Amino acid sequence: EVQLVESGGGLVQPGGSLRLSCAASGFTFSSYWMSWVRQAPGKGLEWVANIKQDGSEKYYVDSVKGRFTISRDNAKNSLYLQMNSLRAEDTAVYYCARENSAMVRGRAGVFSYTDFWGKGITVTVSS
Amino acid sequence: DIQLTQSPSFLSASVGDSVTIACRASRDISTYLAWYQQKPGKAPNLLIYAASTLQSGVPSRFSGSGSGTEFTLTISSLQPEDFATYYCQQVNSYPITFGQGTRLEIK
Repeated sequence: EVQLVESGGGLVQPGGSLRLSCAASGFTFSSYWMSWVRQAPGKGLEWVANIKQDGSEKYYVDSVKGRFTISRDNAKNSLYLQMNSLRAEDTAVYYCARENSAMVRGRAGVFSYTDFWGKGITVTVSS
Repeated sequence: DIQLTQSPSFLSASVGDSVTIACRASRDISTYLAWYQQKPGKAPNLLIYAASTLQSGVPSRFSGSGSGTEFTLTISSLQPEDFATYYCQQVNSYPITFGQGTRLEIK
C-alpha cells in the first residue's frame, strides 16, 4: 500500500524557516517524480514544486522561487521542502504527492498526473 | 502561466442527477489535463487524466472530455458520496496550475 506521511509543520513567525519531510513507503520511491501541493485555508489547490527521480530537475511556482527548496533522499525514501523567509501567505496545508505518468493508446506524448497524496501537514505563519 | 477557469464555481444538484463541470485553459494544452475530487479535510483524489482516461478504481459514472482549451467533467447519476469539490489541473507546462474549484452540493 502506497503511503506518504508528512511531518515538520507547525507555527512559525514571518521571516522564519521550516523543513517539511515526507516519508514514502509501499512503492519504489526512486522511480517517481514527487511534488508538494498546498492549500490555504478555505482556498483551492496550489502546486508548489516538484523534483525528478534522481533530483536533477526541480521546478517551482514563482511565488516560492528563491525561498523554498525541494529535495529528496532516495536511500531514505524521503522528500523534503525547505521553506525560508516564510510569509503569512504561505500559511496552508502542505501535501506531499507522487506523480505518475502513462501513455494513452492512440495519442502521442506521455501524460502525467498525481495519483497518491499524503494526508497533509499544516504550516501557519503568524506573529 | 496557464490559467484554468472552472465553471460554475458552485453547483447544486440532487442524487440521481447528471452534472457537467467545465474547465477552460488560457491557451492550448492538448489533452494534458487531470481532474480531482476533494472532500472536506481530505487530500484530493485523482479521477481522470489525459483529459478522458479514467483512473483505475474510479466509478464509470465519471467521464472527461475535451482538448485544446475546453474540457468537461461529467458525473452521471450522482451518488451521495459525489458531493465534494472538483478541480482541474493542467500538466502541459510549468508551473503546473489548478482551476479554482467547483463545489458540488446536495440540493
